[in-house]
Amino acid sequence: DVKVTQSSRYLVKRTGEKVFLECVQDMDHENMFWYRQDPGLGLRLIYFSYDVKMKEKGDIPEGYSVSREKKERFSLILESASTNQTSMYLCASSELYGYTFGSGTRLTVV
Amino acid sequence: GENVEQHPSTLSVQEGDSAVIKCTYSDSASNYFPWYKQELGKRPQLIIDIRSNVGEKKDQRIAVTLNKTAKHFSLHITETQPEDSAVYFCAASPPSWGTSYGKLTFGQGTILTVHP
Repeated sequence: DVKVTQSSRYLVKRTGEKVFLECVQDMDHENMFWYRQDPGLGLRLIYFSYDVKMKEKGDIPEGYSVSREKKERFSLILESASTNQTSMYLCASSELYGYTFGSGTRLTVV
Repeated sequence: GENVEQHPSTLSVQEGDSAVIKCTYSDSASNYFPWYKQELGKRPQLIIDIRSNVGEKKDQRIAVTLNKTAKHFSLHITETQPEDSAVYFCAASPPSWGTSYGKLTFGQGTILTVHP
């Protein structure tokens, strides 16, 4: 069974902290994505990566950065967490079409 | 970039009724349209998809229709059951070559509630 694993299910961080969200896939997929999910707004793309060390901005990249040092791992970084980054974060991977999602990380910034 | 609008935001039906969720997209180059179901506390799961060379696709009680001229597509669920209750998301993707890499733009989601 293919898997996308997000390291934390729930996180609580303080304003100003640097936050790392980790995502690992075991399908040897080229493409990986980070979305945030907010009620009434659907899933919005933050960043995506189509190869190791390659990254592209999505629709809402402000306040975030990413790292992809290995093919299977894609990390989302909040350089200085703010309360408006409280959200559900979903990682996904794909080869061409058809995403496989992780279980999500619910981040609360206080 | 692509913009996907989804309606309605909430939908309540009685068990056995049909449910229809509609989406419109803006980028005429988009050619792949999946639908995801997200049950409470779970990850989104692909339930059906359609490509732009097909007008309709059916899988048991679920069907998707696509009108490329009007740039809209719809999800139809017949004979709804309580276990169909979930949030449904439509999405659109441009061709996977070039710089898009198959990235999906999602609609806002529809909360479907099926009452027994």
